[in-house]
Amino acid sequence: EAQVTQNPRYLITVTGKKLTVTCSQNMNHEYMSWYRQDPGLGLRQIYYSMNVEVTDKGDVPEGYKVSRKEKRNFPLILESPSPNQTSLYFCASSFVGTSTDTQYFGPGTRLTVL
Amino acid sequence: AQTVTQSQPEMSVQEAETVTLSCTYDTSESDYYLFWYKQPPSRQMILVIRQEAYKQQNATENRFSVNFQKAAKSFSLKISDSQLGDAAMYFCAYRSGLDTDKLIFGTGTRLQVFP
Repeated sequence: EAQVTQNPRYLITVTGKKLTVTCSQNMNHEYMSWYRQDPGLGLRQIYYSMNVEVTDKGDVPEGYKVSRKEKRNFPLILESPSPNQTSLYFCASSFVGTSTDTQYFGPGTRLTVL
Repeated sequence: AQTVTQSQPEMSVQEAETVTLSCTYDTSESDYYLFWYKQPPSRQMILVIRQEAYKQQNATENRFSVNFQKAAKSFSLKISDSQLGDAAMYFCAYRSGLDTDKLIFGTGTRLQVFP
């Protein structure tokens, strides 16, 4: 089954404690990205990757890091989480520039930073 | 920069009735794609319908259809014969036709369906 998986689905942590949210896709997609969803703001892109070892900032990258060492995985790293990073996070993947395809979204990760 | 605006934070509809959700966007590009996503309480993002800007014909998917007005930069979603399962948050999204898969989302419209 084609899917994007994220772990953990729920996470409560404290300010400053490094954490990683994993994302994995099984569709051999080149493009992967991370979004955060906040009430009244919709979804905003954090980082994206066009392929292995190719990553770039989205619209709200501050406080986040990513890496793309393998095509299937695209972890999101919060080195020193702060309460303003409390949000719902989505990972998404797709083939690059294919007009007939669209992005597949993971199930979301609810992060709370105390 | 492209922007997407959903001016209706909340809408409601009676079961079996029709409802239209509004979306406007701003872009200087001529080649792009527009989407409506549904987000039920499970929080999963579900693609409802998509429209290629170069196609004049409005997209339809069963009970869901769009009214795409390219000159007015408007992309509304019509849900016919509304069902209780249609209750969700709906997001309008824009994607450039350039070699990028970035989606730009509106702020969402929460749809309630009453029996």
